[in-house]
Amino acid sequence: AQKITQTQPGMFVQEKEAVTLDCTYDTSDQSYGLFWYKQPSSGEMIFLIYQGSYDEQNATEGRYSLNFQKARKSANLVISASQLGDSAMYFCAMREARAWGGSQGNLIFGKGTKLSVKP
Amino acid sequence: SAVISQKPSRDICQRGTSLTIQCQVDSQVTMMFWYRQQPGQSLTLIATANQGSEATYESGFVIDKFPISRPNLTFSTLTVSNMSPEDSSIYLCSVGRDSSYNEQFFGPGTRLTVL
Repeated sequence: AQKITQTQPGMFVQEKEAVTLDCTYDTSDQSYGLFWYKQPSSGEMIFLIYQGSYDEQNATEGRYSLNFQKARKSANLVISASQLGDSAMYFCAMREARAWGGSQGNLIFGKGTKLSVKP
Repeated sequence: SAVISQKPSRDICQRGTSLTIQCQVDSQVTMMFWYRQQPGQSLTLIATANQGSEATYESGFVIDKFPISRPNLTFSTLTVSNMSPEDSSIYLCSVGRDSSYNEQFFGPGTRLTVL
């Protein structure tokens, strides 16, 4: 079963506008973490933001915020004031606790959304 | 954030040969993770490398094909053995900032092309 779903293969946004990238997840764990990464064409994976399942506040990091709706199992990334340099692939990922109760720390990734910022 | 380097950054290899990828971290970490990203795809975990023990492989990945070493807390290698064109991918190592793994950082990746 797919655990991380990103339904938008590609998105366009006008420079300086805000954009929301969707992510839904599936887990039966009570404790988990949600991540967003940016991957430009160079291939590196850039950590953007983290949200813990017990965090009551939505995470924010500069122009990035994570709209966490636990009951709906969604963790959408909001990028405010888009810049040309934001054009990249964006991956949502989840860290689960393993069956034996310990978190191995490894991540499960969605298929990604390609964001293109138009001047 | 942790500073992670990988060598080589890219390589073009012949079918049937092997390539060893190195991952160096600027601080001691308990676990290191190796991921594969096939062209146009998302990332898939190959294995978790814990210092002082055998690596733990995910379903679909075996030690004979992807042997891993973890000689100390700052270094790991992944070997891609007996390569075929299907092994053409980006290989990335990753570490957590601390034991919470709430911030996880990736190396710059090794872009492998197998002819």
